[in-house]
Amino acid sequence: QKEVEQNSGPLSVPEGAIASLNCTYSDRGSQSFFWYRQYSGKSPELIMSIYSNGDKEDGRFTAQLNKASQYVSLLIRDSQPSDSATYLCAVKGDMRFGAGTRLTVKP
Amino acid sequence: DARVTQTPRDKVTEMGQEVTMRCQPILGHNTVFWYRQTMMQGLELLAYFRNRAPLDDSGMPKDRFSAEMPDATLATLKIQPSEPRDSAVYFCASGLDLAYEQYFGPGTRLTVT
Repeated sequence: QKEVEQNSGPLSVPEGAIASLNCTYSDRGSQSFFWYRQYSGKSPELIMSIYSNGDKEDGRFTAQLNKASQYVSLLIRDSQPSDSATYLCAVKGDMRFGAGTRLTVKP
Repeated sequence: DARVTQTPRDKVTEMGQEVTMRCQPILGHNTVFWYRQTMMQGLELLAYFRNRAPLDDSGMPKDRFSAEMPDATLATLKIQPSEPRDSAVYFCASGLDLAYEQYFGPGTRLTVT
């Protein structure tokens, strides 16, 4: 069974801190990786996509990919209370999502 | 702006009834995915299509669930007969192709009593 695993959470950080969310995957053939944010009662929305090893930055968000270690992470700098949500890692080739990590940013 | 639409948004039905959920993918997207989300199981992939052809439906209970794409603008997910354990939020998502990101619809909240 191909798997995508995330930190079980919940993760709580103070406002302004860096939140670090991690994801590992089992399928070495995976080529595309995505982070989604899901607010309670809403549908998942795409935050970042990453296809190559290394870092990809978009505003306060940085996605990091290490295919050799089968690891992808999301860093949120200067965390805001509005970032409080569940973050889902998705790995293509598999079309599967991790269980999600619930993040709470405390004012 | 382009969005995935789903109908109905909420459905309450009695056990044993047929349920049909509909999805209109974003125009120009050739892949469509159906997911089910519950608190216990998270986001589960049920089935997906590419160019209207089913590629994988291994996530669906075959005896009661069926998924189709009658045309490029409509995907359907049917449950017959429905059971209380089917209660969940069902999401449809579409994408440009398999390697690219998916965009989710608002979901259908199904309650089977």
